[in-house]
Amino acid sequence: DTAVSQTPKYLVTQMGNDKSIKCEQNLGHDTMYWYKQDSKKFLKIMFSYNNKELIINETVPNRFSPKSPDKAHLNLHINSLELGDSAVYFCASKAGTASYNEQFFGPGTRLTVL
Amino acid sequence: ILNVEQSPQSLHVQEGDSTNFTCSFPSSNFYALHWYRWETAKSPEALFVMTLNGDEKKKGRISATLNTKEGYSYLYIKGSQPEDSATYLCALVLETSYDKVIFGPGTSLSVIP
Repeated sequence: DTAVSQTPKYLVTQMGNDKSIKCEQNLGHDTMYWYKQDSKKFLKIMFSYNNKELIINETVPNRFSPKSPDKAHLNLHINSLELGDSAVYFCASKAGTASYNEQFFGPGTRLTVL
Repeated sequence: ILNVEQSPQSLHVQEGDSTNFTCSFPSSNFYALHWYRWETAKSPEALFVMTLNGDEKKKGRISATLNTKEGYSYLYIKGSQPEDSATYLCALVLETSYDKVIFGPGTSLSVIP
């Protein structure tokens, strides 16, 4: 069974559309994250949730809205997609809130905005 | 702006060679350092989590050391194998923000058979 799964794996869409990426973890973890891998291959944190509550919200445009219906899911909804949103988005989770706990990453979703 | 730096950016070694690379970070406000291994077309996987100055961790042929006073960590691979080819990321956790992990740009290692 996949520990952290993301759907879809690939997403190609037109500028201006609204799309969602789903993330689910079956590890029983309390904390989940969204990262964006930028054009220079850096992993940059976007959001962090702990037990469905928002913990970290980096300087991300408010077109990006995370939603956590329960602690096993953290979905990412993006409104009015722009060309610059094209990237690979990774979901991750970790047990508890301790910083020394390792993160487990999903396979990534490659978003292409045309 | 807080920077986590890694060097070299990329590295090509022959199978059987030992190699090492560096992660540099601001020494103030340190809480923990993570090392991840990221193979092409896969997700990052955790190698080590290090918290104490002088920490040394080992997993098979891969080991890491930590110096929090001077702000660096070394990752060593002994007797590199083609399956070690990957990007190795270090990630800093600050004392003031436990949930936030700041990733370095990675060192891309290619092991030539």
